[in-house]
Formats: sequence, structure tokens, C-alpha cells
Amino acid sequence: KAGVTQTPRYLIKTRGQQVTLSCSPISGHRSVSWYQQTPGQGLQFLFEYFSETQRNKGNFPGRFSGRQFSNSRSEMNVSTLELGDSALYLCASNPGTSGARTQYFGPGTRLLVL
Amino acid sequence: GENVEQHPSTLSVQEGDSAVIKCTYSDSASNYFPWYKQELGKGPQLIIDIRSNVGEKKDQRIAVTLNKTAKHFSLHITETQPEDSAVYFCAASIASGTYKYIFGTGTRLKVLA
Repeated sequence: KAGVTQTPRYLIKTRGQQVTLSCSPISGHRSVSWYQQTPGQGLQFLFEYFSETQRNKGNFPGRFSGRQFSNSRSEMNVSTLELGDSALYLCASNPGTSGARTQYFGPGTRLLVL
Repeated sequence: GENVEQHPSTLSVQEGDSAVIKCTYSDSASNYFPWYKQELGKGPQLIIDIRSNVGEKKDQRIAVTLNKTAKHFSLHITETQPEDSAVYFCAASIASGTYKYIFGTGTRLKVLA
């Protein structure tokens, strides 16, 4: 089975722009979570989607949003980019079945905001 | 609020020695504790996990122990090898219909040959 894939892998944007990142979960997985990883704050939970519904959200401003499609693929969007948004954005998938607790991470999208 | 503390932040060991990384969680409702290894340029990879109804779990050179009373859990790596060098993260999760993880701050392990 193919793992979690994320596109693009690298991205450079300027302040004020917006960006959309994409995640394709492992085939059959219905839950997709997003995390932001920075040297200062570590891995922080952004949000989780299950069957196209946002099930949980972390403490990030409304500039961060996401969605999930019927095929479980997910996108996250960051509007009005700030320098502090520079980070590695990780997507993780989970089967979504009862008792399945493990999240499988993709390689991440490295975003640099100039 | 929810918090996971992880120590040490860096750890250097000689090849063949053991390494121990410790985590403490704050939310007593946490009941699933995975450990991830992250190599440069890659996403975190699960290496071992433990559920709250188990005190210890082993997988070859890797073991995890859990003390629910003290809200501590630890990763033990024996007979370390240079390829064990990476950043290790602990996490805690609550079974409440969501798969949100609270991660520790990471431990950079360096195994010296």
C-alpha cells in the first residue's frame, strides 16, 4: 500500500499571499489530521477531518482552514501568510475504525514565507 | 491544558549502550501513547506504541513502559546503533472520537560509533 503523500514538498511564498497544501491518505483511511512543525513550538495539532467533517481543531487562527473530499483526500489553506507560518506541515492518516489509534505521517510540505 | 513534557532534549550515547527518553503527560484521560522517530527530511515514523491497559511493551531492541499513576511513560532503546540517530517524539492521545495527538518537544539522539 502506498503511504501518505503530500504535495507540494516545498513551497516559497511571500507575506500576505495564501497557500493550499494537499494530502492523500493511505488507501482506505478516512481520518486525516494536520500538524504544524516548527523548531520553536514542535509538533502542534491543526485539525482533524473524518468523512468530510472537521472533528477537532487546534488553537490556530482562522487563517488556517481545511477540508476533506469524498475520496478522503484533504487540503489545508493558509490565508494572509505571515513570516511565522514558515514551518513543516505534516499530514497524518488513520483508518478511522474503532480501536485504530495509530496515525501514519506523510513526508510533509516545507513552507517558507519571505 | 493538555501538555506532554519530554526529557532530555538531546542525548548522546556510545554505540551499543542503552538510551532512555522520558515523557510526562498532564491529561489523565490520555490512554494511547505512541513514539515516533523522525529522520532528517522525513515525516515521523511510528516505532512503538502502548495503550493505558498495558504497563510495558517490547519490540526487539525497543521497549516502552507506562506508569499511569505517575503519568509517566518512557522509551528504552538497547544496543544502540548509528542508524538509531534521529529525533524521537512521544505523544499522548485521548479516545474521545478524535485522533488528536499532543506531542512532546522531541529528543535528538546521537549514537556515536
